[in-house]
This record gives sequence, C-alpha cells and structure tokens, in this order.
Amino acid sequence: DQQVKQNSPSLSVQEGRISILNCDYTNSMFDYFLWYKKYPAEGPTFLISISSIKDKNEDGRFTVFLNKSAKHLSLHIVPSQPGDSAVYFCAASMYNQGGKLIFGQGTELSVKP
Amino acid sequence: DVKVTQSSRYLVKRTGEKVFLECVQDMDHENMFWYRQDPGLGLRLIYFSYDVKMKEKGDIPEGYSVSREKKERFSLILESASTNQTSMYLCASSLAGGSTQETQYFGPGTRLLVL
Repeated sequence: DQQVKQNSPSLSVQEGRISILNCDYTNSMFDYFLWYKKYPAEGPTFLISISSIKDKNEDGRFTVFLNKSAKHLSLHIVPSQPGDSAVYFCAASMYNQGGKLIFGQGTELSVKP
Repeated sequence: DVKVTQSSRYLVKRTGEKVFLECVQDMDHENMFWYRQDPGLGLRLIYFSYDVKMKEKGDIPEGYSVSREKKERFSLILESASTNQTSMYLCASSLAGGSTQETQYFGPGTRLLVL
C-alpha cells in the first residue's frame, strides 16, 4: 500500500524553464511534507518542507505547493539549472509516529543545457 | 551542520555471510533510521530507533536486525546475507523531542553487493 506516490519516474526540462515535480498521498493524517534531492552514489539531502497548515513555502528557486483537498503536493524549480539534475523524493510524516517518513518512489529530473 | 557517516561506501559479500553496516551521527539526535533504496521503489524503512537500546520495525525488517548501544551509533545487521539484499543502504538521523515536523539527515549510503 503506497501511501506516497510519485507517478512520474522521470522528467526532462530545458535549462531556464520551470520544472514541476508532483507527489500524491492517500493518508489525510500526514501533517508534514518534505522534498529531498539525491545525486547518484550520495545520500539524499533535504531541500524544502511544508507543514499541513500552509499551502505554499518558498526558498529561492524552489517552491512547494500543498493542496490538501486533492492530497497533492508539487515542487517547482524556477529557473531550472543543469545542476538540478538528480532524483527527487517527496516524503510525508504524521504526528506521534516517532519521526518516521514515508517516501515516494522518486522522480529523476534531467535538465538539458 | 549535521554529519551522518556510514562505515563503508561499497561492500561485496558472499551469500550467507553476516554483514554489519555502521552509522554514526554527531548531532546528539535521538532518532536514527535505516533504509534501503531500490530503483522504482524509493526509500523503504527497515528499522528505526528513538533511543538507546530501543528499536522499532519498519516496513521491511525481515532478514535484518539492528543494534543501538550508544546514542550516536546505529548498526544494521544482515544475519545471513542473500542476493535479494543487494541494495543501497541509507542511514538517517533526526532530532526528535516530540515534534512531528522533523527533518531527517542522511549519510552517504553503502552500496552492498551480495554474490
């Protein structure tokens, strides 16, 4: 039972354009969502997060949008750069679960020069 | 900066061997986690620990055990390695302290090949 889903295994975008990565979840008890970025042969690094009491959080070129009614979040990268090429994982957590994160399957972003 | 280190970047083991993967964090975090990452499956939680000598099963604990004798160190043990345990293993830690809104910090990963 996949509670967090990233339905696009890969995404290709031209440098300078917007990258939009999507994530859907099924459990309405999730109250915190995160995006991680992972390069090959490295561990994931934290990118940006959003609490369920918000619908948008922005950090530089990265913005995360949360639509609770649709159980959907998205990560926007503007403008995309070749160094953004990596696998992106969304993750979710809920209260009183010991800090456990539930991860999606990942989306591999390729930004072409 | 939080630093999470893993004892090996690459390991090659034989089927049936007992394998130890070590993880150390230097930020006095309460929570520590072990995941495996496989293509198309994302990160799956094997075990986690929220205190010394405490452990909880994750989603895929079969074939694994863990040990947390000291707060900063969390070990993953493959009791008898099998080829289907060939994977990338990732350790993470988080602060805990009652907040649900916690960021996990990851180590660089250990790529394990079981022959």
